[in-house]
Amino acid sequence: DIQLTQSPSFLSASVGDRVTITCRASQGISSYLAWYQQKPGKAPKFLIYAASTLQSGVPSRFSGSGSGTEFTLTISSLQPEDFATYYCQQLNSYPRTFGQGTKVEIK
Amino acid sequence: EVQLVESGGGLVQPGGSLRLSCAASGFIFSSYAMNWVRQAPGKGLEWVSTISGSGLSTYYADSVKGRFTISRDNSKNTLYLQMHSLRAEDTAVYYCAKEVVVPAARRFDYWGQGTPVTVSS
Repeated sequence: DIQLTQSPSFLSASVGDRVTITCRASQGISSYLAWYQQKPGKAPKFLIYAASTLQSGVPSRFSGSGSGTEFTLTISSLQPEDFATYYCQQLNSYPRTFGQGTKVEIK
Repeated sequence: EVQLVESGGGLVQPGGSLRLSCAASGFIFSSYAMNWVRQAPGKGLEWVSTISGSGLSTYYADSVKGRFTISRDNSKNTLYLQMHSLRAEDTAVYYCAKEVVVPAARRFDYWGQGTPVTVSS
């Protein structure tokens, strides 16, 4: 099974900060990686697919990059509505594993 | 508008059974793979199972293999998860999610609101 490790697990940041979350795969997954945002008590919301393609309607301050085993999600200027938990997911093979999540909190 | 509405969750005793449903609308249901993903209280997301659009292919997490069965009725636009031999560690909110399977664009693009399952005596 492919393991995904996100870092950091917890991040404290201020509005306007640039934030980067890393997701590392235990083996190569090409660009079959998606990112999701989840707010408390809500279902996950899909943000990015194919490692770097933004879902329609997602603000351009979000971006993704990487391929193979190392990927990043960057928020260029953190907004109040971005405080949430972010998950990466590999869709290269089954099981469709998720990273453990990165919680972004207000500093 | 795509909508996924789960139902069937509740309180069940260890060893018991439960069937979850996910009613889909707003897209051609039979054209898409569908998934169940769960989230234990205070924990992260865990993929549970996938079924292809035709229903001919199914995949399971090791943690549920042999106990859970995913199925779909394309005539009713409904996804199911039959759960047997439930354990305390199956306690979670269960989400259904639609999957885009185009190789270059795979993702779980729509999610339901979730249905809670509690396994406890």
